[in-house]
Amino acid sequence: DAGITQSPRHKVTETGTPVTLRCHQTENHRYMYWYRQDPGHGLRLIHYSYGVKDTDKGEVSDGYSVSRSKTEDFLLTLESATSSQTSVYFCAISAGLEQYFGPGTRLTVT
Amino acid sequence: ILNVEQSPQSLHVQEGDSTNFTCSFPSSNFYALHWYRWETAKSPEALFVMTLNGDEKKKGRISATLNTKEGYSYLYIKGSQPEDSATYLCALEFGNEKLTFGTGTRLTIIP
Repeated sequence: DAGITQSPRHKVTETGTPVTLRCHQTENHRYMYWYRQDPGHGLRLIHYSYGVKDTDKGEVSDGYSVSRSKTEDFLLTLESATSSQTSVYFCAISAGLEQYFGPGTRLTVT
Repeated sequence: ILNVEQSPQSLHVQEGDSTNFTCSFPSSNFYALHWYRWETAKSPEALFVMTLNGDEKKKGRISATLNTKEGYSYLYIKGSQPEDSATYLCALEFGNEKLTFGTGTRLTIIP
């Protein structure tokens, strides 16, 4: 599992509330990614980071922000959750030629 | 946004039969093509990374080929087993090690 954990693993929240998801890695990898997985869309990149305080937008970044103040932690924040952000969120790291994924966080926005 | 197309979307195969599916893409201007295996309720797991036209990779009963000139990659499974049931994703890698994924082929092996 390349030492990747995500928290929480499940969350139900109400529309309009802020939500922060955490990705933690133990192996000092430089690149980290946040994806969302929705039926019919596969995995879509939200944001990624190429170092501490170095982040950039992915394909579906609207409504999301990220922060990386330490190598091991990459946070994804929904400032004001909407029902369209109900999804499964996966964090990943890049190691060598491959990306390794965390276990996922299932977020439901009611 | 580059479209990575996978076909078919879903596939049912009898146990013991061999099968293959396709990942197609409009451009050869990428760094690498990745194949992932994704079982229900688990995380995607890397299968292969291919970078050169004509690359072939193999892991047990699963193999993959890459044709960048004609814009496709094939994934083959020989002698399908129930544990092969999963969604198979392909992805193109561009700069900054970013991946653009296809929507996957969902494979179900019928015992």
